[in-house]
Amino acid sequence: AQKITQTQPGMFVQEKEAVTLDCTYDTSDPSYGLFWYKQPSSGEMIFLIYQGSYDQQNATEGRYSLNFQKARKSANLVISASQLGDSAMYFCAMRPANFGNEKLTFGTGTRLTIIP
Amino acid sequence: DVKVTQSSRYLVKRTGEKVFLECVQDMDHENMFWYRQDPGLGLRLIYFSYDVKMKEKGDIPEGYSVSREKKERFSLILESASTNQTSMYLCASSSPGQGIHEQYFGPGTRLTVT
Repeated sequence: AQKITQTQPGMFVQEKEAVTLDCTYDTSDPSYGLFWYKQPSSGEMIFLIYQGSYDQQNATEGRYSLNFQKARKSANLVISASQLGDSAMYFCAMRPANFGNEKLTFGTGTRLTIIP
Repeated sequence: DVKVTQSSRYLVKRTGEKVFLECVQDMDHENMFWYRQDPGLGLRLIYFSYDVKMKEKGDIPEGYSVSREKKERFSLILESASTNQTSMYLCASSSPGQGIHEQYFGPGTRLTVT
């Protein structure tokens, strides 16, 4: 079984500061993928970034980067230079990497509020 | 532009009614999923389908059923709606395989059962 833990229910951050959203996971699968999604108030989930468990480098996508520490089983999302539009719910999720097992397990989410 | 659409953004139903939530994707994806989202609980998988007429139970299938007669359409059915099924329902689709193959989500249906 897989489990995702997000310990920060809510965060308030000043605009233009960097933000780190925590995510720890537990799994017995030898290989897996980790995802971060953003959910604005409109409700639609938006895919942000992906990290494979065997990827040598941490994933980056524009202002988003994933601080992957495999030994600690953590996959924190870092948002640089935060903007007002970053205010949203953020979900960490994981999936086994084997073909045919497409189910995602989600954490409980972190509500990020950017203060002007 | 990839798209997953859901039949309603908001729905109000009475206890005991049969409720249909429809989801359509235009990306020719094999996999489709239904989740419910509740505050403090995140997203929980109800059912998923990896092919037409195929379905598998997720983590919380009780009180729900699904139908997938065509590749692009995945329906969630509440046979007899109850107040504890008041929630946000999200549909998603993806292509199969290793690697990223991220799930694409619809805008959600906020269902209230009174």
